[in-house]
Amino acid sequence: QKEVEQNSGPLSVPEGAIASLNCTYSDRGSQSFFWYRQYSGKSPELIMSIYSNGDKEDGRFTAQLNKASQYVSLLIRDSQPSDSATYLCASANQAGTALIFGKGTTLSVSS
Amino acid sequence: ETGVTQTPRHLVMGMTNKKSLKCEQHLGHNAMYWYKQSAKKPLELMFVYNFKEQTENNSVPSRFSPECPNSSHLFLHLHTLQPEDSALYLCASSQVSGTSSYEQYFGPGTRLTVT
Repeated sequence: QKEVEQNSGPLSVPEGAIASLNCTYSDRGSQSFFWYRQYSGKSPELIMSIYSNGDKEDGRFTAQLNKASQYVSLLIRDSQPSDSATYLCASANQAGTALIFGKGTTLSVSS
Repeated sequence: ETGVTQTPRHLVMGMTNKKSLKCEQHLGHNAMYWYKQSAKKPLELMFVYNFKEQTENNSVPSRFSPECPNSSHLFLHLHTLQPEDSALYLCASSQVSGTSSYEQYFGPGTRLTVT
């Protein structure tokens, strides 16, 4: 059973701090990884995708991938209260036909 | 949200009813998906359609029946559901090329309650 593991949290950070969200995956054949943000009562919204080892930056968000360690992370700089949400990590299966999601990490940013 | 639309947004149905959920994507994608999201559980993939052909069925009970008439439309037909089927049902679409899986974009979901 291929899995994606995330700490459910809640992760609490003060406004302006860096929030660090982590994820591990079991399928060594996975090549594509995604971070989604989900506000309560809403559907998941894609934040970042990453396909290669290393860092990928987009505004205040940085995704990091280490395939050797089967580890994906998301850093949120200058955290804002509006970043408070559940963050879902997902990996694509080897066939590229489906995403496997973690349970999500709840982030709370206090002002 | 306008890239992928879902109707209805909320649905209450009895266990003997038959209803359908509808999804439409306006992104030109070639793959569409149905997911179930229950409290405290990860998103569960139910069905995958790639170029209108069903490519995955993750052991979903037969009381859920998908239909994909074209690459832009996806339906989920529901009949004789159980209370434990109450959940948020999400549709998503993506562009798939060979074995490369690109970003999936979700619709707003249908909140289903089975009484």
